[in-house]
Amino acid sequence: ETGVTQTPRHLVMGMTNKKSLKCEQHLGHNAMYWYKQSAKKPLELMFVYNFKEQTENNSVPSRFSPECPNSSHLFLHLHTLQPEDSALYLCASSQDPRVETEAFFGQGTRLTVV
Amino acid sequence: QQQVKQSPQSLIVQKGGISIINCAYENTAFDYFPWYQQFPGKGPALLIAIRPDVSEKKEGRFTISFNKSAKQFSLHIMDSQPGDSATYFCAASIRGRDKLIFGTGTRLQVFP
Repeated sequence: ETGVTQTPRHLVMGMTNKKSLKCEQHLGHNAMYWYKQSAKKPLELMFVYNFKEQTENNSVPSRFSPECPNSSHLFLHLHTLQPEDSALYLCASSQDPRVETEAFFGQGTRLTVV
Repeated sequence: QQQVKQSPQSLIVQKGGISIINCAYENTAFDYFPWYQQFPGKGPALLIAIRPDVSEKKEGRFTISFNKSAKQFSLHIMDSQPGDSATYFCAASIRGRDKLIFGTGTRLQVFP
């Protein structure tokens, strides 16, 4: 395992539901990331938190709301999603992006919006 | 400018053969070029990475070749094995910037 744990592994939700994805890293890293992985597309960076501060919001719709209460935990709150939001959502962490950008990924949450 | 173009989209190689995946970039400020390997049901994992001050880096059967003037880099997998069957992503970033730009991925299948 990489030291980055994501829950749940699979999630099916209706368009009116509210759910949250959770990510926890046990590596002592300072930066955490949310990526979206869709078929035949590059991994899309959604959000970056560095020392608990959000440093990147890659034009993500407001129906995705991140939360980083501390440097070990990252959440992605979901509400009123669309079917095209169905994808694999990956969490990652890195030691200190000012020095090295090697990212350690979790196994992802497979999200299906119905 | 921020894109990393990766080819081919899929690759089929016989066991023992050489697998070659290519990536190209536009932004000359990129100074870190990693390759990630992803198995089904898993997140991507760093395989090997290179900085532009060297033209080649080898780790076991995996080699990155880097051509700074052409703004291209490639992954070579020598003596490909069925266990290498996975999706490979190239990426690029700028040191000090917390943002990896990924290619679209190459699905490699190695047949016995």
